Amino acid sequence: AQSVTQLDSQVPVFEEAPVELRCNYSSSVSVYLFWYVQYPNQGLQLLLKYLSGSTLVKGINGFEAEFNKSQTSFHLRKPSVHISDTAEYFCAAILTGGGNKLTFGTGTQLKVEL
Amino acid sequence: NAGVMQNPRHLVRRRGQEARLRCSPMKGHSHVYWYRQLPEEGLKFMVYLQKENIIDESGMPKERFSAEFPKEGPSILRIQQVVRGDSAAYFCASSPGMDNYGYTFGSGTRLTVV
Repeated sequence: AQSVTQLDSQVPVFEEAPVELRCNYSSSVSVYLFWYVQYPNQGLQLLLKYLSGSTLVKGINGFEAEFNKSQTSFHLRKPSVHISDTAEYFCAAILTGGGNKLTFGTGTQLKVEL
Repeated sequence: NAGVMQNPRHLVRRRGQEARLRCSPMKGHSHVYWYRQLPEEGLKFMVYLQKENIIDESGMPKERFSAEFPKEGPSILRIQQVVRGDSAAYFCASSPGMDNYGYTFGSGTRLTVV
């Protein structure tokens, strides 16, 4: 079964430091990949998505992610975080040819400290 | 464009009562997805609907849960005879169509069963 793994449940980081949130997926076929952000008591907001084309995907709020097929990874990065980036981040995938449903990782809580 | 509207935002039900959660998709979106988020977990797919059709209900519990998306009006997720384990955040997402991965999520309904 397809799965999405987020290796870190919590990532503390100081403001203006770089951050990487890790995501790996298990699939032997093509996938579509997504990163969502969830602020407290709110819905999910799409940060970026990879469907095809360039493996480096740029999203909103200065985030980017790189699709690495050989390592089955889609890590999220930001070169300099801000306090307002404190939130829960979810990696998700769709298995092409397997329907439209998103499979989510368990989430990474990013806590930005002064 | 008001986005995906879910109501109510918060719902408290006693054990054994019925819960009805509503989702109005974005204008122009004809596909609706329901996800459940249990505490400390990621989102789990429940059901995928088009107008008047259930496309994929592989994530729906076999009993007490049902969903519909009528020709007119919002999509409804119905939970009969609620139990404490149904307490969760329920999110709805919509998209313009199959194979279009522009999902937009609502802010969710937080169901508490007391």
